[in-house]
Amino acid sequence: ELKVEQNPLFLSMQEGKNYTIYCNYSTTSDRLYWYRQDPGKSLESLFVLLSNGAVKQEGRLMASLDTKARLSTLHITAAVHDLSATYFCAAVDSNYQLIWGAGTKLIIKP
Amino acid sequence: DAGVTQSPTHLIKTRGQQVTLRCSPKSGHDTVSWYQQALGQGPQFIFQYYEEEERQRGNFPDRFSGHQFPNYSSELNVNALLLGDSALYLCASSSLSSGRISETQYFGPGTRLLVL
Repeated sequence: ELKVEQNPLFLSMQEGKNYTIYCNYSTTSDRLYWYRQDPGKSLESLFVLLSNGAVKQEGRLMASLDTKARLSTLHITAAVHDLSATYFCAAVDSNYQLIWGAGTKLIIKP
Repeated sequence: DAGVTQSPTHLIKTRGQQVTLRCSPKSGHDTVSWYQQALGQGPQFIFQYYEEEERQRGNFPDRFSGHQFPNYSSELNVNALLLGDSALYLCASSSLSSGRISETQYFGPGTRLLVL
């Protein structure tokens, strides 16, 4: 059974700093997703990672995937307040169901 | 190009009642998945519909049922509501052509259900 763990679950940081959110998954997965959710809102797709070594970047966010370590990271560079949100990773199981992490609540202080 | 739409946006029910939530997928998508997201938690997969049939089901009781229509829209029905059913219900659409799900599921704005 595929399980997905994120850490940290809560992160408070200053603007301008760098940090990384980690997503571990327990069994082989076809792909790894990162989503963003603002309070009271739906889920916005950020990245989908399909293969070992995949790296995708959008603005100050960069996601990578290491399928051998079953680890994906979401790196935030020079954080700005607008990036405050909850970030979820999700992996696809053998039935093509999305299995979600618990989310990382990110607060970026001016 | 309309994205995923859901209705209603908010709903208040009492225990024991029944509720129906609706979802229209993104244009060109044929698969609808439903998720329950409790406050402060990640989404939990309820079930997925394709070609008007339930293809996959998560760990939810039979009180949760659904339907997909020929136009690919979908309904989620919950019977005998419990307080614990209070949550944000999210619909996601994707394409299952060639037997494989598309790269990304697109989520609707959700329906927030409160059971009193």
